[in-house]
Amino acid sequence: DADVTQTPRNRITKTGKRIMLECSQTKGHDRMYWYRQDPGLGLQLIYYSFDVKDINKGEISDGYSVSRQAQAKFSLSLESAIPNQTALYFCATSDRLQDTQYFGPGTRLTVL
Amino acid sequence: GQSLEQPSEVTAVEGAIVQINCTYQTSGFYGLSWYQQHDGGAPTFLSYNALDGLEETGRFSSFLSRSDSYGYLLLQELQMKDSASYFCAVNPYSGAGSYQLTFGKGTKLSVIP
Repeated sequence: DADVTQTPRNRITKTGKRIMLECSQTKGHDRMYWYRQDPGLGLQLIYYSFDVKDINKGEISDGYSVSRQAQAKFSLSLESAIPNQTALYFCATSDRLQDTQYFGPGTRLTVL
Repeated sequence: GQSLEQPSEVTAVEGAIVQINCTYQTSGFYGLSWYQQHDGGAPTFLSYNALDGLEETGRFSSFLSRSDSYGYLLLQELQMKDSASYFCAVNPYSGAGSYQLTFGKGTKLSVIP
């Protein structure tokens, strides 16, 4: 079984809809992250969480919100999706002793 | 702020050696990482340099020179499966510690027969 899972893997939605992307991990890591990747670009950090009670904005948090429901679960929401949020979204985890991040398989989101 | 520059594309022959450079402008960082991403896949960790010098992991090596604001990833004995995008990333000094990563835009490596 994968250590970091994301659901759904693909989603097509319409402008204005609310969307939630979910991430679960079995690695026991405290730290979780949400990234966005656009074609030809690197990964941009949306939000990160160092534990259940700690949520921080990344470089591109506008239009997004997150919830850390448990150590193992970190959800990303788009309250009112817009077409320029069409992208590949990755969840990642790391532990407090290492700088290595472990990525989930990604969610491909299309907003029409 | 931080910015990292990498070549957008590199092509190399199977069995050869290729070097992917990463130059950066940053106010300070803990280390330089490299990640590999195959088309449609997730980024996976390759290497990390906290200190200047060379780190070797099998066919892959990574180098960092803080004085030159420069690092590189060296891939030896190239195989077709090495065709992928390679990202350098730094974890900048911040009040939150060393666990945020800022990524370059990636280098797409094509290995040809």
